[in-house]
Amino acid sequence: GAGVSQTPSNKVTEKGKYVELRCDPISGHTALYWYRQSLGQGPEFLIYFQGTGAADDSGLPNDRFFAVRPEGSVSTLKIQRTERGDSAVYLCASSLLGMDSQGTQYFGPGTRLLVL
Amino acid sequence: GENVEQHPSTLSVQEGDSAVIKCTYSDSASNYFPWYKQELGKGPQLIIDIRSNVGEKKDQRIAVTLNKTAKHFSLHITETQPEDSAVYFCAAMGQAGTALIFGKGTTLSVSS
Repeated sequence: GAGVSQTPSNKVTEKGKYVELRCDPISGHTALYWYRQSLGQGPEFLIYFQGTGAADDSGLPNDRFFAVRPEGSVSTLKIQRTERGDSAVYLCASSLLGMDSQGTQYFGPGTRLLVL
Repeated sequence: GENVEQHPSTLSVQEGDSAVIKCTYSDSASNYFPWYKQELGKGPQLIIDIRSNVGEKKDQRIAVTLNKTAKHFSLHITETQPEDSAVYFCAAMGQAGTALIFGKGTTLSVSS
């Protein structure tokens, strides 16, 4: 079946601009996660949704980052006033069971964000 | 919080040899340990995972071992093939409800 999809695959923006990154989870997966992966590093947790609500946003680095999942399926990660340090690959994952059940997480291909 | 250390950072083997990647974790409450393979330009792909109620799990050429006392777990790949070349990440999840924490990755190169 279809896996996790993310759009766009690449995004180039200028410092100070606003960007939105989209994630389509595997159909039926109620849990959705966002991670950020810098070059040469492992993914770092940003936020976790169970259904429509953000159950854990402890990984968001600051208030420029925000994510929504209004209908419990597609999610959008929003970054305001982008900085060069925001350049990274933003990964989305979904799982059938939530984090409290340690559900197996399946990742999308990521969005490569470059802030000039 | 949880901290995961992964070694080595790079590993080169000849086709047909075995490869072993080791990880240690800090939170004794961690009880879920997945391994992911990431190819260039792609997202991480789950290859095997283990939960703390077992000490070893095997899937064809891939096996994972877990030593909860020593707080370390290892990935073993036997009969390596060039298509095994990729970056491998270990991860650990603490008590239910905490985030998955990843190691920094191991770049495996298999030469034919």
